[in-house]
Amino acid sequence: TQLLEQSPQFLSIQEGENLTVYCNSSSVFSSLQWYRQEPGEGPVLLVTVVTGGEVKKLKRLTFQFGDARKDSSLHITAAQTGDTGLYLCAGWGYALNFGKGTSLLVTP
Amino acid sequence: KAGVTQTPRYLIKTRGQQVTLSCSPISGHRSVSWYQQTPGQGLQFLFEYFSETQRNKGNFPGRFSGRQFSNSRSEMNVSTLELGDSALYLCASSPGEADTSEQFFGPGTRLTVL
Repeated sequence: TQLLEQSPQFLSIQEGENLTVYCNSSSVFSSLQWYRQEPGEGPVLLVTVVTGGEVKKLKRLTFQFGDARKDSSLHITAAQTGDTGLYLCAGWGYALNFGKGTSLLVTP
Repeated sequence: KAGVTQTPRYLIKTRGQQVTLSCSPISGHRSVSWYQQTPGQGLQFLFEYFSETQRNKGNFPGRFSGRQFSNSRSEMNVSTLELGDSALYLCASSPGEADTSEQFFGPGTRLTVL
């Protein structure tokens, strides 16, 4: 199993702040995915990054795939309360391997 | 399109019992995967079915089993329940054509073992 380590595990910030969460592995992945999970729901795909060094933007969210395709980061600009949730990174091996997630709480 | 549905949403069982969970994938999706989610271990892959055949299996004991029907609906069964089986069980479907497919998750079944 290819392990994905996410940090920080928990993050509590106020609306308007910026934040970055990290996803690291010692393994090379052909692609990495980021999902967001809200309480009582299943994870929902935010983005897939495929090329080393790739940067993708989704409104206030910026995703980066490391040059060596072993790590990724998610940066949120001017966080809103609606960004609250569990952020999961996942990489394909023979199955989709998930990190344990970063639990983000954004307060007014 | 309707999303992935899972039944039941909540379940309480006692140790030693068995349980069957059901998943209906998005129409047209042929791959169904099952995951166990716990606070300590996160999301762990159980198994994947594609066209009624188990295509991949995670590192779980044989008490965990599954099957897929011709209409792509899937069930998973856990026999001889243990306290540690308490978890959120998530089902995900995908078209199944590529290993970078987006997984579409259902809301999960919350299983509590007493």
